[in-house]
Order: sequence, then structure tokens, then C-alpha cells
Amino acid sequence: DSGVTQTPKHLITATGQRVTLRCSPRSGDLSVYWYQQSLDQGLQFLIQYYNGEERAKGNILERFSAQQFPDLHSELNLSSLELGDSALYFCASSPQTGLANEKLFFGSGTQLSVL
Amino acid sequence: GDSVTQMEGPVTLSEEAFLTINCTYTATGYPSLFWYVQYPGEGLQLLLKATKADDKGSNKGFEATYRKETTSFHLEKGSVQVSDSAVYFCALSGVQAGTALIFGKGTTLSVSS
Repeated sequence: DSGVTQTPKHLITATGQRVTLRCSPRSGDLSVYWYQQSLDQGLQFLIQYYNGEERAKGNILERFSAQQFPDLHSELNLSSLELGDSALYFCASSPQTGLANEKLFFGSGTQLSVL
Repeated sequence: GDSVTQMEGPVTLSEEAFLTINCTYTATGYPSLFWYVQYPGEGLQLLLKATKADDKGSNKGFEATYRKETTSFHLEKGSVQVSDSAVYFCALSGVQAGTALIFGKGTTLSVSS
């Protein structure tokens, strides 16, 4: 058990809908990362938050947004969903800002299916 | 931009066979290099890492050496077990704080008894 909790584990929805994925980092970790895993693209970095502020941005679509709350949990919001958004979404956390040799702790992921 | 290329899988081996999974990278500066492992139904876990050239990371019988001259970080294990069946990801992290991990596409390893 990594200590990172993601809910829900599975989500099935329809095209055009909006969903929210939730992540609770390990106790004491200040950084939260979101990744998207799909068969064709592999593991793609979406966005990172550190202590409530956006720290780094990757290949995140404009239809997607995220935030980190004062209690350090994070939410990833996906809107106007398309079939291609079906993927496994991982949250990870780390103690500080993601220094070069800092270890990431991953949750078990949320499997999103858009029908 | 920075990137990681891994050998395509799946890799299928018999128990006690020797394992090599190739990984090469493209990066500016001198990144840190990692191998993560994903067991079925779970998130990724750090397997080993190396932070500078010629460093060797090792864990659970797995090893990888940071080779700057060939920009490689190949994963090896002398004798695989069925329990090593998983997906293995090579990753790099830039030198600046806040740089996210960039992953390869992953290599599936299947070990049979």
C-alpha cells in the first residue's frame, strides 16, 4: 500500500459528460501529480501541484483541470468527455517539489470508461 | 524535448532466465533515471534509481547502470521468478526542482514456471 488513495476505482460515463477524480496523497506529502495511462500513449504526465499551487504542466487538455485543496487532497476534473479520454488516471505524491531524485508514490488509479 | 525509449514487449521468459530490458533516453543536462514496476491492478512502485553517470541502482536482484556515453539505463536481473511478472517502466527526471517524471511506454514481462 503506497498510502495514496484514489477514488473512485472505476468510472463509466457517456460522451459529453463531466467527471471528477479524487486523490488523497500520503500523509505529509506536499506534491501531487496526475498521469494518464493509455495503451497507445503510455504514461503521460498531466499536471503537478505543490502545496496548493500549480507547479508543472504537461500534456493536459484544456477540457481538463485540476486543483489541490488546503488539506492537500487533489481533484482532476474532466469535461466534455470524448471516447479517447478513456484511460487509467493515476495520482502520485511526493514529499517536496519533485526534486530530481525524489521518489513518487502512486495510487492504484481510476479507470475511466467513456461510452 | 526529453524522452525515454524502451524496448517493446511483451518479454516472455522461463523462470531462472536472464532478463534485460533496454532503455535509452534523450535529455538536456544530466537527468536522474528510474525504473518503476507495475504489478497487475496496482499503481507504479519505484524499483531502483540512479542520479549520476556510472551510478548503479539495485533492488530485489534487479540492476541498472547509468551510462551517459550511450544514454542508456538497461534493466537486468540474473534469474527471474514468476513473481517478477509485471510491467516495467523506465523514467527520467530533469535536473530542476518540479520537473515531472517522463516515462517510457512500459515493457510487459511474463515469467512462466
